[in-house]
Amino acid sequence: EDQVTQSPEALRLQEGESSSLNCSYTVSGLRGLFWYRQDPGKGPEFLFTLYSAGEEKEKERLKATLTKKESFLHITAPKPEDSATYLCAVQAFAGGTSYGKLTFGQGTILTVHP
Amino acid sequence: DTEVTQTPKHLVMGMTNKKSLKCEQHMGHRAMYWYKQKAKKPPELMFVYSYEKLSINESVPSRFSPECPNSSLLNLHLHALQPEDSALYLCASSPGQGGVISYEQYFGPGTRLTVT
Repeated sequence: EDQVTQSPEALRLQEGESSSLNCSYTVSGLRGLFWYRQDPGKGPEFLFTLYSAGEEKEKERLKATLTKKESFLHITAPKPEDSATYLCAVQAFAGGTSYGKLTFGQGTILTVHP
Repeated sequence: DTEVTQTPKHLVMGMTNKKSLKCEQHMGHRAMYWYKQKAKKPPELMFVYSYEKLSINESVPSRFSPECPNSSLLNLHLHALQPEDSALYLCASSPGQGGVISYEQYFGPGTRLTVT
């Protein structure tokens, strides 16, 4: 069974204080690892897809990296508007299909204080 | 444009009511999904449609009935729900086409459902 564990559960930062969120996973053949941002009461917003170990993606203050067992979401000089829940999800290969089930972690609640 | 729209935004229904949730996307995606999300929990997959055919049903109770009228629309028909079914219902879509090299799912804003 695919599993995703995110840590920490909650993270409080001061504005400008860089840090990292962790996503550990076990999956029977990784098709992709996905990072989402979710604001309260809204749908998850897609951030990144990572497909293979060693891959890195960047967007503004966010950088996602991937190893064979975990992914990190690095936040550089965060701002209060970066406050949100960050979700990590994996998708396993599923035969010849091009759709698939996402297995989510529990999320990390990030709060950035001004 | 990576927009998935959902209506209504909020829905309050009694346990004997019949209602429907609607989802629409115009990205040409061929896979569409329904998720349920309870407070402080991650989304849980309910159904997957691929090329307008039901491909995955995660053992969802029959009081939830999905429908995919065409490649852009996805409905979720609700009947005789229980208070514990109150949640945020999310629709998502992904390219889902042969030869595609991206598998990310794009989510709509959700419908907040309250069952009284």
